[in-house]
This record gives sequence, C-alpha cells and structure tokens, in this order.
Amino acid sequence: GDSVTQMEGPVTLSEEAFLTINCTYTATGYPSLFWYVQYPGEGLQLLLKATKADDKGSNKGFEATYRKETTSFHLEKGSVQVSDSAVYFCALGGGYQKVTFGTGTKLQVIP
Amino acid sequence: KAGVTQTPRYLIKTRGQQVTLSCSPISGHRSVSWYQQTPGQGLQFLFEYFSETQRNKGNFPGRFSGRQFSNSRSEMNVSTLELGDSALYLCASSLGAGQGAYEQYFGPGTRLTVT
Repeated sequence: GDSVTQMEGPVTLSEEAFLTINCTYTATGYPSLFWYVQYPGEGLQLLLKATKADDKGSNKGFEATYRKETTSFHLEKGSVQVSDSAVYFCALGGGYQKVTFGTGTKLQVIP
Repeated sequence: KAGVTQTPRYLIKTRGQQVTLSCSPISGHRSVSWYQQTPGQGLQFLFEYFSETQRNKGNFPGRFSGRQFSNSRSEMNVSTLELGDSALYLCASSLGAGQGAYEQYFGPGTRLTVT
C-alpha cells in the first residue's frame, strides 16, 4: 500500500536558519503530494501542494518540489521564524482514493 | 466560504459511555474523513465517507462508527469508551473526486477526555 516517511523530530533551529524536512513516499500511479502544518491547539492546515512530477509548491516562504525519480517531496524554507514552530505533516493522495499522512515532524525555532 | 466546523470542541466522558461527534464540511465538499490524534500514536485514519457511503476504513475496532447525511454532514460515534480513546478527533473535508479530490481541509478538532 501507499506510505509516507518523514524525518524524525523534533527539529530545533535558531531563527533565520535554513530548514529542510525530508519526506519520501511509496505509491502506485501518480499521487498528489501535500504538506500540512499544525500549530498548537489547532487542526491541520494545508501549507502547499504539488500534483505532478517536477511541480513546485510554495506558500509563506516554504517550498517543496515533487521529485518522481527519488520519490521525494522535501520541505524547505530559507529563513525560519519563531512563528514557524509547529508540527509539519507530509501526505500523499491518489492511491486507492485515499490520503496517507506521514508521522509528522515537530519544528521548534528558538530566538 | 465557511470552513470545516466540529462540535463539540471539548468533551469529557466516563469509561463505558458512548459519544457522538459532529462535523460540517465546507460547502460543496462530498468527502469527509475522520482521524484520531494522540501524542503516542500520531495521526491515525479512522474512516472516510463519500456521498453517504463509507469509502475507506482504517484499523479501528467496531466501537468506532460513522455516517454521512445527504447534506454531507458527518457524525462519528464511539461506543463503550475506554481510557485509550482520549484523543483529539479531527475531521477533514475534500471534494473527493475530480481535480483537487485529495486536498483536505481540517476542522479544529474535538478534544475527548475519557475518565
């Protein structure tokens, strides 16, 4: 079946550092890929998406590129802020008409 | 457009009782999915309903059930509550078909505490 593997957290960075959260997937066909963010006490919010190979999703300074050759969708941001502290989930949709989530990566940004 | 709403937001129940949670999806969305989130197990998929039919199901016991109404609103029921059912229950809606089918929008969740 489909699966998503994310790097283990927590990830602790200083403000203005570069962020990478790795995400790889296993899926049949050509899934859509997503990153969601969950702030403390809230539900998940869609952060960005990509629907086909080589697409780059971007939002709020975050980017991720759909790499079919490496089955990856790594999340990056050039300069993180304290307000980016949250849990980030990678997800794929399309196989068997369902959405599969990774385990989540907690990011803590310190001033 | 109004977002996904879940009621109630907080709930305290006693072991052995049953509980019903409600989810109202974004207008026009025909798919509603339910997830259980706990610190130890992370985000776990319960089930998905599409046009009043259960389309996908996770690995949860039969005590967990759901349904969807003709207006796409969904309810989730847990019977014979156990302490381990304490969790944040999240509902997500999506179009469920066509372009954007898998783009899910989440509600704020219902925090269930079982004592």
